[in-house]
Amino acid sequence: QKEVEQNSGPLSVPEGAIASLNCTYSDRVSQSFFWYRQYSGKSPELIMSIYSNGDKEDGRFTAQLNKASQYVSLLIRDSQPSDSATYLCAVRSGGYQKVTFGTGTKLQVIP
Amino acid sequence: SAVISQKPSRDICQRGTSLTIQCQVDSQVTMMFWYRQQPGQSLTLIATANQGSEATYESGFVIDKFPISRPNLTFSTLTVSNMSPEDSSIYLCSVESRDRIYGYTFGSGTRLTVV
Repeated sequence: QKEVEQNSGPLSVPEGAIASLNCTYSDRVSQSFFWYRQYSGKSPELIMSIYSNGDKEDGRFTAQLNKASQYVSLLIRDSQPSDSATYLCAVRSGGYQKVTFGTGTKLQVIP
Repeated sequence: SAVISQKPSRDICQRGTSLTIQCQVDSQVTMMFWYRQQPGQSLTLIATANQGSEATYESGFVIDKFPISRPNLTFSTLTVSNMSPEDSSIYLCSVESRDRIYGYTFGSGTRLTVV
């Protein structure tokens, strides 16, 4: 079983719609959860972090965490073509705080 | 968040040679992380580099193949030794934000092609 799982996509949404990206993780003692955006040919860029159960909102982005279900999601409201990228879910756990990345979900926002 | 300068940005290397990648951080950091991202795949942690001690390597990565130096709190190098085409990948260094809340920052990456 992969430690961090994401649907590879591509996920296609029309401009202005809500994009929903999902991630599950296997380590129950995971403490910190991150969403990164990676444009083609670029390095990952942190867009959201979440540590407690519930929702965390930042502009058009909302991260949702459910530790009981070992599930974290990212909602992007009013999706824009510039949001088209690969979104990586990352989970931190372990003795020296190792961060494990999922394989990423490719999002395509159609104008 | 920290600013990381990574170089070279890309290189094409001959099989059997070695390449050293450098990362310079604009602030002192305890740990630096080296990742590999193979084409179409996610990031895989190679090793964690602590200043003043040997790097900690992840399963599947060994010091002889990926020697790491960490001479001070702002600099690290990763060498890819005796390269083969399978080493063609993007290599990224990363550091944790100072307050550990905002996750990890990445360098711009080194795109390595081995021919």
